[in-house]
Amino acid sequence: DTAVSQTPKYLVTQMGNDKSIKCEQNLGHDTMYWYKQDSKKFLKIMFSYNNKELIINETVPNRFSPKSPDKAHLNLHINSLELGDSAVYFCASSVRGPSGNNEQFFGPGTRLTVL
Amino acid sequence: SQQGEEDPQALSIQEGENATMNCSYKTSINNLQWYRQNSGRGLVHLILIRSNEREKHSGRLRVTLDTSKKSSSLLITASRAADTASYFCATSSNFGNEKLTFGTGTRLTIIP
Repeated sequence: DTAVSQTPKYLVTQMGNDKSIKCEQNLGHDTMYWYKQDSKKFLKIMFSYNNKELIINETVPNRFSPKSPDKAHLNLHINSLELGDSAVYFCASSVRGPSGNNEQFFGPGTRLTVL
Repeated sequence: SQQGEEDPQALSIQEGENATMNCSYKTSINNLQWYRQNSGRGLVHLILIRSNEREKHSGRLRVTLDTSKKSSSLLITASRAADTASYFCATSSNFGNEKLTFGTGTRLTIIP
């Protein structure tokens, strides 16, 4: 059973298009994240939701809009795609709590290529 | 600016040797974590060390943390070909915020 799943795995699209990436976790976690990994493998947090509430929103263009219909899902919608959006996008989840143990579980990634 | 920076950027060793990777960070932390990423895959959590801990072991992994130097090291003993991957340190600074800031990664290649 896949703990954190993302669809699609690959996404190739033209500049200016709008696309969505879906993420689901079956771990019962209450916090989910989106990361962007660039061509140099640098991984940067974009958003985080806890129980459907936005708790982290890094400096990301407002063309990126996360949506969390329930705490098991966190989708990422991207409007007006640009060449610089090409990257691998990772979804992750964790349990938020007072223990300070915020180990994150990652999905397999979605490789987005904008032409 | 990046919170964590790994050193070296790339490391190649013979199978059976030990591999050591270092991570430096800039701000005070609650914990530091190490993750592994195989090519084309997501990250996998390896080990977490809290700010009040100095050393932790898990199987062939040994992690140290020196908060006075803002640095950590990951030692993999008796390396195997399957250890070939990129290794990232990640720091957690805000208690309850869950935000992780990742380093730049070390690409480890184990030569059979």
